[in-house]
This record gives sequence, C-alpha cells and structure tokens, in this order.
Amino acid sequence: DAGVIQSPRHEVTEMGQEVTLRCKPISGHNSLFWYRQTMMRGLELLIYFNNNVPIDDSGMPEDRFSAKMPNASFSTLKIQPSEPRDSAVYFCASRTGTGRISTEAFFGQGTRLTVV
Amino acid sequence: QKEVEQNSGPLSVPEGAIASLNCTYSDRGSQSFFWYRQYSGKSPELIMSIYSNGDKEDGRFTAQLNKASQYVSLLIRDSQPSDSATYLCAVRNYGQNFVFGPGTRLSVLP
Repeated sequence: DAGVIQSPRHEVTEMGQEVTLRCKPISGHNSLFWYRQTMMRGLELLIYFNNNVPIDDSGMPEDRFSAKMPNASFSTLKIQPSEPRDSAVYFCASRTGTGRISTEAFFGQGTRLTVV
Repeated sequence: QKEVEQNSGPLSVPEGAIASLNCTYSDRGSQSFFWYRQYSGKSPELIMSIYSNGDKEDGRFTAQLNKASQYVSLLIRDSQPSDSATYLCAVRNYGQNFVFGPGTRLSVLP
C-alpha cells in the first residue's frame, strides 16, 4: 500500500494567489482528516470527512479555506486568497473503522506551504 | 481548558534511562488513545494505541491509561538517541475526530 499521498510536497506562492492541496487516502479508508501544523499552534484539525461527507469543519479558520471530497479516493483543500499567516505544513490523514473503537490515523508526508 | 494537554518539554534523559511522557484529556467520553512520534520535518507516525484501562506493552514502549483520572502516559525504556523526537498524544473524542496535544519534545543524550 502506498500510504496517504499528498501533493505537492512544497508550495511557495504569493499572497493573494489561490492554493490547492491534494490528498489521496489509503484505499478502503472511510475517514479523512486535514490538519495544519505550526510551531505556535501545533497540530490543528481543520476538517474531517466520513464516507466523503464533511462531518466537522469547525477548525477551518475562515471562509478563505474550503475542502472537498468528491469521491473516496481524493480530497482537496483550497485557500483563496492565500495570506502569509497561512504558511504551515498541511497534513492529510486517513483511517478506517467506525464505532466506539477507532483504528489509528495514518498521515501523509505533508505539504509545506509558504505564502510570501 | 484545552482538550488534550502535554508538557511541551524539552524532556532530556540520558541514553539507557526511562523516558516518561504524560498526557491529560478533558472529554470523559473519549474511548481511543494514541501516541505518535514525529521527527523534525517528518509526518507523525503511530507508536502505540490503547483503549482499556491499564498498561499495554510493545517492545521498549509501554502505554498506560487511567480513564478515571483522564490520563495517558508513554514510557520508553532503554532510551536511545534515535528516540529523540516530538511525541504527540491523540484522543478520539465524542465527535469521532482525532484531537492532538501540543506534543512533548524528547531529547535522549548519548
């Protein structure tokens, strides 16, 4: 299994530009998470999908951020317009299992976003 | 109060010693608990999961869970320099998502 695949690995963009981050979860996993990690705030959950449906987007910082999961094998996180404070590492993670006991979440390698 | 709390460290231990990492959580309904290790510049990787009160051992690692005290810990025996990393505690809460603590930076000194 190739694991969770994210692209691009690195993105440098100018303030005001649109940024799209992509994620392919592990095949068969029914939950997908987008996290943002910074030194100051640690690992923050942005949004969580279950069976392609957004369940909790309370962590999305503002309307500039949007996420979609059109099918079980692909998700995008879009920032429009981007700002320097959006600079962070963005991780996608997926897991399988439902109910009270969860399997662990597996992380992709992350996308390091720099907005200048 | 944050949902998952950890001492940020750094925690420094000499090689061969036991490293003890602690985590507390606020949601009493939490059922699943995880320890992740993250090397600098890398993604988090799972070390241990624990679901029931008590101890769970895997090689040099032991996870301990006390739901009454809302406390999870990770012990690393015979610490090695390669164990130097940030350790993240994660809790699956009532909303079924994973909430991570801020992480504890561990440094194992040769």
